[in-house]
Amino acid sequence: ETGVTQSPTHLIKTRGQQVTLRCSSQSGHNTVSWYQQALGQGPQFIFQYYREEENGRGNFPPRFSGLQFPNYSSELNVNALELDDSALYLCASRLGASVGGELFFGEGSRLTVL
Amino acid sequence: QQQVKQSPQSLIVQKGGISIINCAYENTAFDYFPWYQQFPGKGPALLIAIRPDVSEKKEGRFTISFNKSAKQFSLHIMDSQPGDSATYFCAASRDGGSQGNLIFGKGTKLSVKP
Repeated sequence: ETGVTQSPTHLIKTRGQQVTLRCSSQSGHNTVSWYQQALGQGPQFIFQYYREEENGRGNFPPRFSGLQFPNYSSELNVNALELDDSALYLCASRLGASVGGELFFGEGSRLTVL
Repeated sequence: QQQVKQSPQSLIVQKGGISIINCAYENTAFDYFPWYQQFPGKGPALLIAIRPDVSEKKEGRFTISFNKSAKQFSLHIMDSQPGDSATYFCAASRDGGSQGNLIFGKGTKLSVKP
């Protein structure tokens, strides 16, 4: 086990709705990243938070937003859901923003948009 | 534009054989090249990683070979075992991965037959 927990594990939403996914980082890890993994594809970087500040973002529209809390847990919010948002959403944590620090992934939240 | 190209898409190897997965990248600014292993229902887990100042890195049965001039790197799994059956992803990033922005390949599904 990586110590990174995500909730919920599965959820179904309809197009246009909003969703919040949650992540609890491994103890002591102050950096969290979120990735989207479509079926049969590799994960795609959404954004990274370090000490509650976003310090990196991938090619995702502003309707994808996040938060990191003082205890380093994190949320991913997606507004105005589209069918293509159906995917496995992965949270990963690591200690610091140091070069090459190992990313520890959770098991993901499987989102289905109907 | 796919920045990291991975092949083959799937691979079947007999127990005890050598599994070889190849990746090619385009961005010469990449300086961190990890390999991840993902089992069904689980998040990716770091196997081994390499930086461009080294041409080869070995950890147990897993070896990364890196060719900077060709912008290619590969994963070799020696003495492949049925328990190695999983999906493998290569990835690359700039700044040693400190910005969390790992660019993943599309993955290789490895099946090791007993």
